[in-house]
Amino acid sequence: SYALTQPPSVSVAPGQTARITCGGNNIGGKSVHWYQHKTRQAPVLVVSDDSDRPSGIPERFFGSKSGSTATLTISSVEVGDEADYYCQVWDVRSDRVVFGGGTKLTVL
Amino acid sequence: QLQLQESGPGLVKPSETLSLTCTVSGGSIGTSTYYWGWIRQPPGKGLEWIGNIYYSGSTDYDPSLESRVTISVDTSKNQFSLELGSVTAADTGVYFCARQKEWSASIRYFDYWGQGTLVTVSS
Repeated sequence: SYALTQPPSVSVAPGQTARITCGGNNIGGKSVHWYQHKTRQAPVLVVSDDSDRPSGIPERFFGSKSGSTATLTISSVEVGDEADYYCQVWDVRSDRVVFGGGTKLTVL
Repeated sequence: QLQLQESGPGLVKPSETLSLTCTVSGGSIGTSTYYWGWIRQPPGKGLEWIGNIYYSGSTDYDPSLESRVTISVDTSKNQFSLELGSVTAADTGVYFCARQKEWSASIRYFDYWGQGTLVTVSS
């Protein structure tokens, strides 16, 4: 079955740039979406369809894709960005949602 | 503003059935291009998709849970529901309902989520 791979954790200092990767077989042919999930809150969609930002999401959140890896880049990281981040695709072959394992972003 | 709210028992005994309902407000569950889904998060783990339903009743389930899961919809009440049978401690976690938007056959993502409800499986 299709799987997405994310690093368990990423740490950055405030003001720096965080890059969270998401790898998967033939991910270039899939549409990748990213969610921010803070403890005891509902997940929030921060990037859809590889690089589209929903209304209300700061421009600091940027999605991209190259080769077999999708990347969520968060520039000028703030303490409030500390959260778990998940990538997600819809696997057309099996008609199922696939989430990556999640990456915990720590702002030092 | 669309809102989703999960409701149901917070404690379920092993081998019994977990039942949750998601009430949608601020929009109709019977709108085309939207699916309605259940996602869960076991303690200390990541998000796990359980399944989706369309207002017509068409469903998709994760293969690992398919034998135990039923998702249904009640358009008259603007609600959809989850039943997970033969539960064990491994089914403990926070359960979220969410709206899934379909842009195309290959572009589907969750744009609105409920706050989640904790379900514990224990005797």
